[in-house]
Amino acid sequence: VQLVQSGAEVKKPGASVMVSCKASGYNFTNFYVIWVRQAPGQGLQWMGTINPASGGTNCPQNFQDRVTLIRDTSTSTLYMELRGLTFEDTAVYFCARVWQLGASHFSDFWGQGTRVTVSS
Amino acid sequence: SIVLTQPPSVSVAPGKTATITCGGDNLGTGSVQWYRQKPGQAPMLVLYADSDRPSSIPERFSGSNSGNTATLSISRVEAGDEADYYCQVWDMSSDHYVFGGGTKVTVL
Repeated sequence: VQLVQSGAEVKKPGASVMVSCKASGYNFTNFYVIWVRQAPGQGLQWMGTINPASGGTNCPQNFQDRVTLIRDTSTSTLYMELRGLTFEDTAVYFCARVWQLGASHFSDFWGQGTRVTVSS
Repeated sequence: SIVLTQPPSVSVAPGKTATITCGGDNLGTGSVQWYRQKPGQAPMLVLYADSDRPSSIPERFSGSNSGNTATLSISRVEAGDEADYYCQVWDMSSDHYVFGGGTKVTVL
């Protein structure tokens, strides 16, 4: 199993960024994927979940207006778009596969992370 | 919404046991996961379903969850265990994922 993310990005405030996450080594549509970010020196923050089979998504309220999660089943690739960037969006962004075991939902494989820097 | 509280730091001598707590209302009724993250790396799962270990994780890592507190214990601590550790739950009522704030484990 591998999740390989796109490279680092530098964006200006107000711009948008799209991060990709290419999955391999497993049945792409069988596992949900979450996106998580980590600001410098900070903890992990869940940004949303996508069901690759249906394309259905679920995002926390603080990201709902700015985040779009999509997938391309033909290439087994997931995408996370974040709009209206501010300096506070400077972070490393991760995709991670979700394993669902009853009430236990956890991430057993993670992408390597994509650094997004917002700078004027 | 669920809030998970971890101590910011834990220090432990080599060979001793490190204990990291994760607090949350009625946490014991759910299922807690733990991740280890070393600098510059992605998080790695070390425990799931409170106390189960992925095959690559040594038996030195154990966990429990009862009442309002989940615990990750690392016995016979080694220098390589120095990292940030995060607890995580899935809130089934909202289908949201929640992480604790993280605990930095320092090996003295």
